Amino acid sequence: AQRVTQPEKLLSVFKGAPVELKCNYSYSGSPELFWYVQYSRQRLQLLLRHISRESIKGFTADLNKGETSFHLKKPFAQEEDSAMYYCALLYSGAGSYQLTFGKGTKLSVIP
Amino acid sequence: KAGVTQTPRYLIKTRGQQVTLSCSPISGHRSVSWYQQTPGQGLQFLFEYFSETQRNKGNFPGRFSGRQFSNSRSEMNVSTLELGDSALYLCASTSGDADTQYFGPGTRLTVL
Repeated sequence: AQRVTQPEKLLSVFKGAPVELKCNYSYSGSPELFWYVQYSRQRLQLLLRHISRESIKGFTADLNKGETSFHLKKPFAQEEDSAMYYCALLYSGAGSYQLTFGKGTKLSVIP
Repeated sequence: KAGVTQTPRYLIKTRGQQVTLSCSPISGHRSVSWYQQTPGQGLQFLFEYFSETQRNKGNFPGRFSGRQFSNSRSEMNVSTLELGDSALYLCASTSGDADTQYFGPGTRLTVL
């Protein structure tokens, strides 16, 4: 069965420090991975998707199939980055696609 | 384009009652998925609809059901509510099977 693991429930960093949010997955097929972000009182929104290889708000993530990881990184944290971050795996089951989410990591950027 | 909308935004019910939640997808999106979000279990897949057909269902009891209309709007229903059904229920729509899912703001259900 597919699984997404985010080992850190809470990550606190100082403003200007580098950020790395960890995500590991297990899936027998070809993974399609996403990072979603949920700011306070806002809806869950897509941050980035691995196939697009874009850098959004300074965040990047590289899929490492050997280590089954999709860690989210940003070189310099900003206060506005404080939010809940969810790693998600899109997989096909019973004729449809669905997302399996990790439990999320709360990022707190200290001024 | 307008985003995914969900109504109502908040609901308070008592145990044993039933509830219906509504979701309007982004215009042109034909697939609608529902997720339950709780502090303990996180985000869990409930079911997915495409062209008025339920294609997949997560590991939830039969009290949880849904449907989709010809205009792609979707409803989910929970019967015989239990305290543990208190959660944020999220709806997401997508234009294609493997495309990005876009989420609504959710309906916060509280069961007393």
